[in-house]
Amino acid sequence: NAGVTQTPKFRVLKTGQSMTLLCAQDMNHEYMYWYRQDPGMGLRLIHYSVGEGTTAKGEVPDGYNVSRLKKQNFLLGLESAAPSQTSVYFCASSYSLRVSANYGYTFGSGTRLTVV
Amino acid sequence: QQQVKQSPQSLIVQKGGIPIINCAYENTAFDYFPWYQQFPGKGPALLIAIRPDVSEKKEGRFTISFNKSAKQFSLHIMDSQPGDSATYFCAASIVNSGGSNYKLTFGKGTLLTVNP
Repeated sequence: NAGVTQTPKFRVLKTGQSMTLLCAQDMNHEYMYWYRQDPGMGLRLIHYSVGEGTTAKGEVPDGYNVSRLKKQNFLLGLESAAPSQTSVYFCASSYSLRVSANYGYTFGSGTRLTVV
Repeated sequence: QQQVKQSPQSLIVQKGGIPIINCAYENTAFDYFPWYQQFPGKGPALLIAIRPDVSEKKEGRFTISFNKSAKQFSLHIMDSQPGDSATYFCAASIVNSGGSNYKLTFGKGTLLTVNP
């Protein structure tokens, strides 16, 4: 049981380049989330999804796009990377209350992205 | 607007001590308060959580104390060990929103160091 898997684990981008971060979960969770973690800032929500085909903006969505074409996958895209997007990105997933009373998040191990 | 304020930013204790991490929230609609533990290079993991209908919850050496009137909650670690050295995040969300979705708002984190 892999849980939440993020790829890649590390990446260095040049300013203006694009990339996609992949998150895959095998727990049949309905909800999925993308957070970024920066020193002294904690975890900030970028985008989230409450089900296949649905996405919504979080606290810091600018410069990012997401897609959830399949229930188990949640993709985070950077169309034109900027140095301000240097961060550690975490994907998480959870059940919805309609499915389970266990609504704790399961996090992936993170993607460390550096934009130069 | 920071909805969950966490303190201190860092904390150093000796083995066997009882570190206490505090969080305060502003939104009275919050009704789910989890704590997450994060080791270096890993994603956060759910440690313990509390709902506002109880004032205290214990799981092993970890205790959450909750003060609804003061809008504060805290994490106590009894008989702390060097293996407890990690970053701890408090969080809050609105669970009873019709079961459609919920999003966690995290504090900025506390780096705990337990010296041998």
